[in-house]
Amino acid sequence: GENVEQHPSTLSVQEGDSAVIKCTYSDSASNYFPWYKQELGKRPQLIIDIRSNVGEKKDQRIAVTLNKTAKHFSLHITETQPEDSAVYFCAASNGNAGNMLTFGGGTRLMVKP
Amino acid sequence: DVKVTQSSRYLVKRTGEKVFLECVQDMDHENMFWYRQDPGLGLRLIYFSYDVKMKEKGDIPEGYSVSREKKERFSLILESASTNQTSMYLCATDEGADTQYFGPGTRLTVL
Repeated sequence: GENVEQHPSTLSVQEGDSAVIKCTYSDSASNYFPWYKQELGKRPQLIIDIRSNVGEKKDQRIAVTLNKTAKHFSLHITETQPEDSAVYFCAASNGNAGNMLTFGGGTRLMVKP
Repeated sequence: DVKVTQSSRYLVKRTGEKVFLECVQDMDHENMFWYRQDPGLGLRLIYFSYDVKMKEKGDIPEGYSVSREKKERFSLILESASTNQTSMYLCATDEGADTQYFGPGTRLTVL
C-alpha cells in the first residue's frame, strides 16, 4: 500500500518568514495530493491540493509543488501570520477505492509574532 | 455547506465495554470514512464505506467494525474496548472526487 512520510514534525518560524513542509510518497500510481490544516481543537480542513498532471499550484500565500519523478511534494507558506499556526497534514491517493487517502504524520507549525 | 456531525465530543469507557461512535452527514455523499488520529501518526484509516451496507477495511481495522444502514449515517463499533484504542476518532465524507469533509472528532478514553 501507499506510505506517506512528512517532515519536519514541528516547525517554528518568525511571523513574516516562509515555511516549507515536505512529503514523500511510495506508490507511483498516486495522482492526487491534498493538504489539510487542523487548528487546535478543530477539524482538519482542505487548504490546497494538486493533481499529478501539474507541477505547481498557488493560492494567495500558499503553494504546493509536486515532483513525480522523485515522488515528493511540498507545501510553501509565504509571509506567515500567527493564524497560520496549526497542524498540517499531507496526503496521497490513487483515485481508486473511493478516494482512499493515506496521510502523513503531520507538521505542527508555530508562527511567533 | 457540508455538515458532518459526530455523536459525542468526549467519551470515557471501561475496558471490555462495547462502544458506538456515530457519524451523520447531510450532503448525500456516497463515501464515508473513519480515521483515528494519534500524535505523530497522522490520520489512519480504519474503515470506509462507498455505499449503504458496503464497507471496506482501511489500514488498521483490527478491533473495529462498522455499520452503514442508511446513506447519511456511518457507525464505528468497538466490540470490546481496550486501552490502546484511546484516541481521537474522526469521521469524514466525500462525494467521490476530491475534498474530504471531517466531523469535529470524538476523543475516546478507555480506562
